[in-house]
Amino acid sequence: DIQMTQSPSSLSASVGDRVTITCRASQSISTYLNWYQQKPGKGPKLLIYAASSLQSGVPSRFSGSGSGTDFTLTISSLQPEDFATYYCQQSYSTPWTFGQGTKLDIK
Amino acid sequence: QLQLQESGPGLVKPSETLSLTCTVSGGSISSNNYYWGWIRQSPGKGLEWIGTIYYSGSTYYNMSLKSRVTISVDTSKNQFSLKLNSVTAADTAVYYCARQPLEETGRFDYWGQGTLVTVSS
Repeated sequence: DIQMTQSPSSLSASVGDRVTITCRASQSISTYLNWYQQKPGKGPKLLIYAASSLQSGVPSRFSGSGSGTDFTLTISSLQPEDFATYYCQQSYSTPWTFGQGTKLDIK
Repeated sequence: QLQLQESGPGLVKPSETLSLTCTVSGGSISSNNYYWGWIRQSPGKGLEWIGTIYYSGSTYYNMSLKSRVTISVDTSKNQFSLKLNSVTAADTAVYYCARQPLEETGRFDYWGQGTLVTVSS
């Protein structure tokens, strides 16, 4: 199975900050990498697919980059509604696997 | 707007079978553009893909659970279902159903809100 490792596990930031979350795959996955946002009591929401494509309806302050084994999710200017937990997920091969999550909270 | 809603017992006894249903509204489960999947989330194992089904009934499962899992589809009710047998406390989790686009079946583009299933006597 492909292991996905995110860093940091938690992060404190302020409204307006630029934030970057990283995700590393245990083997090359090309650009088969997706990012999700999850808020308490809700299912995850797809933000970014294919490493850098913005899902329809997602604000442009979210962006993704990377290929191979190393990927990043960047939020250019944090908004109050962005405080949540973020997960990466590889869609290169089954079993599809997720990172352990990065919890983003208010400083 | 597409909605997915999980339903089923919130408490299952050890060694019994966990049964959940996902009802799809605002779209057809018979669309040939999508697969439909189950994922679970627990504090110990995080998010874990369980398995996926196409409206035709073809399935594929996470090998770690394959011996205990059955996923089926009922197109007349616009639903798909999960059965997990011989459950233990390790199967306690929030269970989600999700849609997977045909162009990349490994992506989950819409999720239900999830349902907590506790395995306990």
